[in-house]
Amino acid sequence: DAKTTQPPSMDCAEGRAANLPCNHSTISGNEYVYWYRQIHSQGPQYIIHGLKNNETNEMASLIITEDRKSSTLILPHASLRDTAVYYCIVRGRGSGGGADGLTFGKGTHLIIQP
Amino acid sequence: DGGITQSPKYLFRKEGQNVTLSCEQNLNHDAMYWYRQDPGQGLRLIYYSQIVNDFQKGDIAEGYSVSREKKESFPLTVTSAQKNPTAFYLCASSPRTGNSEQYFGPGTRLTVT
Repeated sequence: DAKTTQPPSMDCAEGRAANLPCNHSTISGNEYVYWYRQIHSQGPQYIIHGLKNNETNEMASLIITEDRKSSTLILPHASLRDTAVYYCIVRGRGSGGGADGLTFGKGTHLIIQP
Repeated sequence: DGGITQSPKYLFRKEGQNVTLSCEQNLNHDAMYWYRQDPGQGLRLIYYSQIVNDFQKGDIAEGYSVSREKKESFPLTVTSAQKNPTAFYLCASSPRTGNSEQYFGPGTRLTVT
């Protein structure tokens, strides 16, 4: 799986959009971009994933650049409950039909300020 | 409620003792995983299982053992051979399809003294 690079920490004001960047310049054609977040002392929570098109769900939007070398997770109206570590993961299908484990880096610690 | 349960939330053991962490899921997922997390670090894969009675080593399997006798259950044993067992242990599951998300349990914090 390709390596990802994220800033170690970011601040965002409550109610504003939080934009979390991720670089994955070595991504290959069949690898997806996944985002998870982990609130302190809890298990990670899936947010969203995409291949090359932009994606949106009830939690966030994912914008993937045309060359797929970077992406941005957007939380449109950040709340205090969004304070967490956000992980960007690039994952291929895997030889086991895609049921292999995920590779987590250190992620970005997003702090929402009141 | 559907989901993944891990128990207990906190576990304390003496050095040299084996300890088994439980993980149960009622999501009917084929694949299950165990990860370890140390303070300030990301998650590292210990073992995973794609189907009952089968499991594979992850990146840091030494000192750990697992079993998968039932689809719903994937217990992890931390043996005395694990040099630094104190950590936060997370279990996850996913449908056995190409790019499905993983669902995580609440974790067990193990302290060995």
